[in-house]
Amino acid sequence: SQQGEEDPQALSIQEGENATMNCSYKTSINNLQWYRQNSGRGLVHLILIRSNEREKHSGRLRVTLDTSKKSSSLLITASRAADTASYFCASLKGGSYIPTFGRGTSLIVHP
Amino acid sequence: EADIYQTPRYLVIGTGKKITLECSQTMGHDKMYWYQQDPGMELHLIHYSYGVNSTEKGDLSSESTVSRIRTEHFPLTLESARPSHTSQYLCASSRTGSMDTQYFGPGTRLTVL
Repeated sequence: SQQGEEDPQALSIQEGENATMNCSYKTSINNLQWYRQNSGRGLVHLILIRSNEREKHSGRLRVTLDTSKKSSSLLITASRAADTASYFCASLKGGSYIPTFGRGTSLIVHP
Repeated sequence: EADIYQTPRYLVIGTGKKITLECSQTMGHDKMYWYQQDPGMELHLIHYSYGVNSTEKGDLSSESTVSRIRTEHFPLTLESARPSHTSQYLCASSRTGSMDTQYFGPGTRLTVL
């Protein structure tokens, strides 16, 4: 199966609520990145967390990494309708520069 | 918006045709990638390139070829299009030393009839 697997596959929330997405991976990594994809478009890089980091913030985004559980989470606080998109994690194994993308979480934020 | 461009954005073509999907980036990135993505699904790596005259096959490279004659240009060619090639094709680039953060183009939506 894929190196990175996100859950849930789909998430539907109201504006103002927080959205949490999780990602699991199988092998040791150098870093893990989160990307966003609007419908029919390419992916946009959101945030990167290195294997020696546990938490990182960027605006309304908070990413955590638990290397013992081989998992990461992306939290979007105070969500907005414009946050509606698919979110992918991409893990980068040690010694490789080819990230492995999961299937993504489809987030819908209702106004 | 990243400085990476793909043309055409949409293409509808008949079975058996030869097609080339164009990808160019103006960021001077040494690495470039092609992915195939079906709606709501993960990205599958088709080909990648370390730099000029260096290309490698990914997980899903059969029936397609790439070239990297110039740093900024990484075209993907399907010699004989089939309905199973119907998908979205995403081009990306990254720079060595940047933790391999990838910058994506807008994609080409290909439909093979």
